[in-house]
Amino acid sequence: EVQLVQSGAEVKKPGESLKISCKGSGYRFTNYWIGWVRQMPGRGLEWMGIIYPGDSNVRYSPSFQGRVTISADKSISTAYLQWSSLKASDTGMYYCTRWAAVAADNWGQGTPVTVSS
Amino acid sequence: QSALTQPPSASGSPGQSITISCTGTSSDVGGYNFVSWYQQHPGKAPKLLIYEVTKRPSGVPDRFSGSKSGNTASLTVSGLQAEDEADYFCCSYAGSDSWVFGGGTQLTVL
Repeated sequence: EVQLVQSGAEVKKPGESLKISCKGSGYRFTNYWIGWVRQMPGRGLEWMGIIYPGDSNVRYSPSFQGRVTISADKSISTAYLQWSSLKASDTGMYYCTRWAAVAADNWGQGTPVTVSS
Repeated sequence: QSALTQPPSASGSPGQSITISCTGTSSDVGGYNFVSWYQQHPGKAPKLLIYEVTKRPSGVPDRFSGSKSGNTASLTVSGLQAEDEADYFCCSYAGSDSWVFGGGTQLTVL
């Protein structure tokens, strides 16, 4: 069974850094893109970017380029999303997804991030 | 890259059919047959319903169907059931290894 298990809820202050994780299991981690999707409270889904763990090739949405860093460690089947300096507007739920070519066929349970002073 | 346009809400009675639209541009929806649809129940992660415009993953009831005409994709839910009450999001490939989601439609089963 394919599973994506994300790290737990985070509460941070503006200006702090953060790295959340997504561990894949039940499939060959290096053969599928892993994407990150943001959902702000009461809002829709926003595609942030994707990474191919096999070669760490990364693509970012223009809306998130420069604001976040996506990475992966294929030796432990884990992808990451990180911020160097959080803002209150980064508050939201963050999902990792497995992209089977042209759609997100599996989703993590989500990591809620709250940024507040 | 602007979000795809979906109606914010839709509703129907049990047994009826409803269609949710998703409008983009020739750079996304109209340019590729890579539209997918997701269902999200409150407090849950989204679930893939439709991919490549019309295809259903195994386990998704055939009450859910997708189509596309020009720059607009559509999701039809036939034989509405109470458990179909959820948020629905479309997504399209937008070129250069990027994707864009719609704003979402809240479906109410009356």
